[in-house]
Amino acid sequence: DGGITQSPKYLFRKEGQNVTLSCEQNLNHDAMYWYRQDPGQGLRLIYYSQIVNDFQKGDIAEGYSVSREKKESFPLTVTSAQKNPTAFYLCASSWTGTGTSGSGEQFFGPGTRLTVL
Amino acid sequence: SQQGEEDPQALSIQEGENATMNCSYKTSINNLQWYRQNSGRGLVHLILIRSNEREKHSGRLRVTLDTSKKSSSLLITASRAADTASYFCATAGMDTGRRALTFGSGTRLQVQP
Repeated sequence: DGGITQSPKYLFRKEGQNVTLSCEQNLNHDAMYWYRQDPGQGLRLIYYSQIVNDFQKGDIAEGYSVSREKKESFPLTVTSAQKNPTAFYLCASSWTGTGTSGSGEQFFGPGTRLTVL
Repeated sequence: SQQGEEDPQALSIQEGENATMNCSYKTSINNLQWYRQNSGRGLVHLILIRSNEREKHSGRLRVTLDTSKKSSSLLITASRAADTASYFCATAGMDTGRRALTFGSGTRLQVQP
């Protein structure tokens, strides 16, 4: 089955720890994205990547880091510098928009709920 | 930045009624998309409307786009209890340096059986 997976589903972090959230897709999409969602809110863009070995900061990148060594994988590390990391994290992938077509449909994973203890 | 703002923030209707949600945005766009999110789950894409389109239909969904007013609406006809979810609009901007969507804050729809 084609799709996008995230693990773990729930993650608990102690103060001062770095944690890494996994995101994998087998849709052969070039572009991948990380979003943060706080309760009752919309999605805010953390990082995105249009191609392997390249990524761009989104609107709230501080305290987060990513890598894109493989087309299928886009892990997100929440560092100790992120002061309020408790949130629902969503990964998505899509075909890369071409020309003036803009960003197209995004496919989302099931999310990881991160809680700081 | 939250480009899209949905209105209303919450909507409660009876099964069989129509539900209308509105979205306003600030900058020029290439396309506007609507997504649905069930509680605690990922988002699911519903429909995409391009900037040169005014209306689009998909099953019980009807989307309109007014670029002069920078607004869009999503109409769900003959709603069902299973339509209960949060609905988000997302815009793809004209800035080719940012190939990513900007999401609104969402409308929480409750359909009472």
